[in-house]
Amino acid sequence: EPEVTQTPSHQVTQMGQEVILRCVPISNHLYFYWYRQILGQKVEFLVSFYNNEISEKSEIFDDQFSVERPDGSNFTLKIRSTKLEDSAMYFCASKTQGNSETQYFGPGTRLLVL
Amino acid sequence: DQQVKQNSPSLSVQEGRISILNCDYTNSMFDYFLWYKKYPAEGPTFLISISSIKDKNEDGRFTVFLNKSAKHLSLHIVPSQPGDSAVYFCAAGTLIQGAQKLVFGQGTRLTINP
Repeated sequence: EPEVTQTPSHQVTQMGQEVILRCVPISNHLYFYWYRQILGQKVEFLVSFYNNEISEKSEIFDDQFSVERPDGSNFTLKIRSTKLEDSAMYFCASKTQGNSETQYFGPGTRLLVL
Repeated sequence: DQQVKQNSPSLSVQEGRISILNCDYTNSMFDYFLWYKKYPAEGPTFLISISSIKDKNEDGRFTVFLNKSAKHLSLHIVPSQPGDSAVYFCAAGTLIQGAQKLVFGQGTRLTINP
């Protein structure tokens, strides 16, 4: 069964460093998402991406964040200058088309900023 | 953001019995709802969904009930099995054209006791 994959599974970085989290969505999916979950808190929406542009972003997704689909398969989240409060699990999700409800999630990348 | 609430942080049920997980929402614009199951260190796994035009959707041991007037939905698992022990998230979205973000509840940790 097709699934969303994410790399790396864990990332430790120093505050102020740039990180890139990578995702390979399900191959025929058209809509891509990033969510995050800070330890003990809810899963929160960060950004949605369709047709090579951002569809919607939350207030969390400030100028330090960017997303890209550099080729036909990868979808990346870049944090330009990490802060301690960026430590969280980051989940990528994808779905097939506009009127489909279900988003399928990857296993997540655990980011720890020291 | 308290648009989706799961008021029970945990629930313990005996194997073979029914598990009932509850979720309340405040935004009347939500028109579809999903339940996800999550194991530690994994991403949310889609279980079952329901659109606002229905009041019940069933898939094997899982049934979701929607009460629009009360802005309440519930997930019934029967019979409960040890492998059902996980955190269950309720999520809601709006079927507007294009990408839709999901809004998640806080999750309920279900423990099935043998």
